[in-house]
Amino acid sequence: AQKVTQAQTEISVVEKEDVTLDCVYETRDTTYYLFWYKQPPSGELVFLIRRNSFDEQNEISGRYSWNFQKSTSSFNFTITASQVVDSAVYFCALSEAFQGAQKLVFGQGTRLTINP
Amino acid sequence: NAGVTQTPKFRILKIGQSMTLQCTQDMNHNYMYWYRQDPGMGLKLIYYSVGAGITDKGEVPNGYNVSRSTTEDFPLRLELAAPSQTSVYFCASSSSSGGYNEQFFGPGTRLTVL
Repeated sequence: AQKVTQAQTEISVVEKEDVTLDCVYETRDTTYYLFWYKQPPSGELVFLIRRNSFDEQNEISGRYSWNFQKSTSSFNFTITASQVVDSAVYFCALSEAFQGAQKLVFGQGTRLTINP
Repeated sequence: NAGVTQTPKFRILKIGQSMTLQCTQDMNHNYMYWYRQDPGMGLKLIYYSVGAGITDKGEVPNGYNVSRSTTEDFPLRLELAAPSQTSVYFCASSSSSGGYNEQFFGPGTRLTVL
């Protein structure tokens, strides 16, 4: 069965520090997709990035970057020069074909607190 | 576009009561999903729909029912509410079943059963 593990339950850093959120996944599929979602204190889920299993290039978007390594089944997320507004729960998710639809398998989330 | 909307935002139920959580999307997406998020956990799939008139069970369907009479609406019905159903409920939609399609989530409904 598909599984996503986010071993870091909570992380607390001081503003402007860099922080990396870890995500390890398990799947038997050769084609799959990985996602990161942000859940700010207001509670909604905000899509951050999607990565398919054939594209191992790292991606950078402003202060955010993602490192995808198939060899270690990891899809880690780094925030550079963190800001208080980055405080949120971050979820890593793996898409799984499920009875004709797509199911997202979520990790348990990492609560990130950025202190001023 | 409003995206995915959910009502109500908050609700407190007594054990044994029933209610319907509403979900509407205006993106003409065929695929819709209901997830629940328990404290400190990721989301788990309750029910999903691949189009109007077609629904199916997810991982944790017990105690819930759904219907999909239109493309836009996908209500979730709780019958005989139990404390174990205290959770945050998210509705989501996507344009197709391909894994590359992101799911768009509503703002969630926080339900407490006492």
